[in-house]
Amino acid sequence: GAGVSQSPRYKVAKRGQDVALRCDPISGHVSLFWYQQALGQGPEFLTYFQNEAQLDKSGLPSDRFFAERPEGSVSTLKIQRTQQEDSAVYLCASSRREGSYNEQFFGPGTRLTVL
Amino acid sequence: GDSVTQMEGPVTLSEEAFLTINCTYTATGYPSLFWYVQYPGEGLQLLLKATKADDKGSNKGFEATYRKETTSFHLEKGSVQVSDSAVYFCALAGAQKLVFGQGTRLTINP
Repeated sequence: GAGVSQSPRYKVAKRGQDVALRCDPISGHVSLFWYQQALGQGPEFLTYFQNEAQLDKSGLPSDRFFAERPEGSVSTLKIQRTQQEDSAVYLCASSRREGSYNEQFFGPGTRLTVL
Repeated sequence: GDSVTQMEGPVTLSEEAFLTINCTYTATGYPSLFWYVQYPGEGLQLLLKATKADDKGSNKGFEATYRKETTSFHLEKGSVQVSDSAVYFCALAGAQKLVFGQGTRLTINP
């Protein structure tokens, strides 16, 4: 596709369930980022991939959060044993080159609601 | 650590009014600076950017100048339109990530 796509667009989970959020970046983009956006706030960094290598995971809030990009294209963000505070919009972005200095193209996000 | 502070919203203006949304930052060195916009029902998209001091980014009638003396990157537009209604985010390029401000919701009334 022409842009970054994410699925599902909306996810409702019961507290304690595991969820998996998918990101399809723009084809050929080297860098992939995940951000978490709470209601009324700006996006906050979670993790960064350069191709298949996860170079920075300093923003992941706990060890319940796990991300992967095994073939350097599609990425999955997994949250285990979801908690209410995990409710947020999860944004994926990709960039043509490595690093954060180039334009990042954002997907529409996945809105996660944990009941 | 790096941080970005934006003027609090919401901001409501009439069509053709002058717009300023303030943004200041704290960072080590001189990072690239960005304004992203989120229109209703759409994803974040880059509005403009500046990569070094005194650079002016511009797009769609919006402008922002990278001021290292005041560590600022204020967004301006001379005459806003209803279609400019959106949420605007100021951001800086940190080490392998973007650092965003909290966003400013702008509503333009006809």
